[in-house]
Amino acid sequence: QVQLQESGPGLVKPSETLSLTCSVSGGSINSEFWSWIRQPPGKGLEWIGYIFSSGSTTYSPSLQSRVTISIDTSKNQFSLMLSSVTAADTAVYYCARGGYVKVASAFDIWGQGTMVTVSS
Amino acid sequence: QSVLTQPPSASGTPGQRVTLSCSGGSSNVGSNYVYWYQQLPGTAPRLLISRNHQRPSGVPDRFSGSKSGTSASLAISGLRSEDEADYYCVAWDDSLSGPVFGGGTKLTVL
Repeated sequence: QVQLQESGPGLVKPSETLSLTCSVSGGSINSEFWSWIRQPPGKGLEWIGYIFSSGSTTYSPSLQSRVTISIDTSKNQFSLMLSSVTAADTAVYYCARGGYVKVASAFDIWGQGTMVTVSS
Repeated sequence: QSVLTQPPSASGTPGQRVTLSCSGGSSNVGSNYVYWYQQLPGTAPRLLISRNHQRPSGVPDRFSGSKSGTSASLAISGLRSEDEADYYCVAWDDSLSGPVFGGGTKLTVL
């Protein structure tokens, strides 16, 4: 079955760029939506954005100016870049399949999550 | 502050039936599907209910979802200790052009 695995630095300095990759195994990345979601410690879930396998993206309005999501279908991976980070960006970051929930593309498969701390 | 409103906490005793609520507006719950997720402590969320009331394969029929107007509900019958978790609702928001989460309800099994 499809499995997702996040990877990337666990510590990022303030004002720098957070960069994470999600590797998809057990299935193809093609013809699907793929999302990034985060959860600050002790708080709820926040959708960051999603990408379709064609490369088309949609971002959360609150993060749009700082977010870039990209996809590499040859590697079955998609990535997140979040620029100019502050302590408020400290969170567990999840990758998930789905996101265009208006047409029933639910977040149906999730990675285990990776903790990213923003600190000098 | 979350776009979808969920009570921060709920509780029940083993065997009881509990209902968790999710309140939104015409641009989200009122006009789009609602999804429910269960997050056990220290784990990633798991899809529990899709398209308002559909259970994915592997989800026990103790869990059921419904929607009426701009509110949705998740009912858990025959409550078990392993149901102690955080529960989140999600819906598409036409105004924001993206999915929005509720703030989550922490369910305690007494």
